[in-house]
Amino acid sequence: AQKVTQAQTEISVVEKEDVTLDCVYETRDTTYYLFWYKQPPSGELVFLIRRNSFDEQNEISGRYSWNFQKSTSSFNFTITASQVVDSAVYFCALSEAGSARQLTFGSGTQLTVLP
Amino acid sequence: DSGVTQTPKHLITATGQRVTLRCSPRSGDLSVYWYQQSLDQGLQFLIQYYNGEERAKGNILERFSAQQFPDLHSELNLSSLELGDSALYFCASSVSGRGADTQYFGPGTRLTVL
Repeated sequence: AQKVTQAQTEISVVEKEDVTLDCVYETRDTTYYLFWYKQPPSGELVFLIRRNSFDEQNEISGRYSWNFQKSTSSFNFTITASQVVDSAVYFCALSEAGSARQLTFGSGTQLTVLP
Repeated sequence: DSGVTQTPKHLITATGQRVTLRCSPRSGDLSVYWYQQSLDQGLQFLIQYYNGEERAKGNILERFSAQQFPDLHSELNLSSLELGDSALYFCASSVSGRGADTQYFGPGTRLTVL
């Protein structure tokens, strides 16, 4: 069965610091998809990125970057020069190409960016 | 704005009651998913529909049921409510219901059972 682990329950940083959120996953499928979602205090879930298992290229989008490493089953998320607006709960999630098409979520990491 | 709409935004009811949550997917999306977010269980998948047919089932209680209508909107029915059913219920939609799809989430319905 698939599983996503986000070991960091809460992280607190001061504005402009860089911060990395860890995500480790387990799956038996050879084809799978990894996602990051952001849940700000308002409560909605906002899609940030999707990664295919066959594409290990790292990705950068503005201050956000993602490091996908199949060898360690990790899909970590780094925010550079954090801002107060980045304060939110961040979820890593996994879906598979097979029968488990639904998202399996990690428990989330609460990020607080202090001014 | 994801394009997925959910109503109502908040719902307060009593134990033993029945409620219906409604979801309209993004234009063009054929698949709808329901998730429950609670403090003790986190974000859990409940059920998926694709073009009116049930596609996958997760940890959905027998007291809960769902359907997707011909216009593709979906409803989640929760009956014989218990205190532990208090949670944030999300609907998500995707184009084809495959694992490769990105799921876009609605704003959620916050259910409080008193």
